[in-house]
Amino acid sequence: GDSVTQMEGPVTLSEEAFLTINCTYTATGYPSLFWYVQYPGEGLQLLLKATKADDKGSNKGFEATYRKETTSFHLEKGSVQVSDSAVYFCALGETGANSKLTFGKGITLSVRP
Amino acid sequence: EAGVAQSPRYKIIEKRQSVAFWCNPISGHATLYWYQQILGQGPKLLIQFQNNGVVDDSQLPKDRFSAERLKGVDSTLKIQPAKLEDSAVYLCASSQQTNTEAFFGQGTRLTVV
Repeated sequence: GDSVTQMEGPVTLSEEAFLTINCTYTATGYPSLFWYVQYPGEGLQLLLKATKADDKGSNKGFEATYRKETTSFHLEKGSVQVSDSAVYFCALGETGANSKLTFGKGITLSVRP
Repeated sequence: EAGVAQSPRYKIIEKRQSVAFWCNPISGHATLYWYQQILGQGPKLLIQFQNNGVVDDSQLPKDRFSAERLKGVDSTLKIQPAKLEDSAVYLCASSQQTNTEAFFGQGTRLTVV
């Protein structure tokens, strides 16, 4: 079945450092890909998405490109802030009427001043 | 607009007791999801409703878990009897239709002792 693999965490960075969080997937068909973020004490919220190969999703300085050839959707940010500290989940959405989200394990990012 | 509402936020019960969670999705959202998030793992879909019909309940442990969505709006998820391994955060999400962005509630943290 469909699956999502995220790099092991946690990740600790200094403010203004470059961030890469790796995500690879296994899927039949042509899924949509998502990054969700969970800030402390809050619910999951969509950070960005891409619906087809070579699409780039972007939001709040974060970017991720849907790479079909490497089945990857790595999350990047050029300069992280303390406020980016959160848990990040990569997910894929199946195509079709019965679509559901399949999540990776999540990775905790801590940004220190 | 109001987000997805869930209650209670926290619940502690003894094993073999029963428990129920409530979810009020965003107004007008046809699709409703219940996810289980065990500590250190990504959310796992338990059940998906389209209006008041079940679309996917393949990962719902039907011997102890049940869910309903009367009138295609609010939903309840019940566990009876609870086991220690049911300790998790139970997340409700809704979307306008399938294949569109899912909005999550803050979740109910269940501890079974």
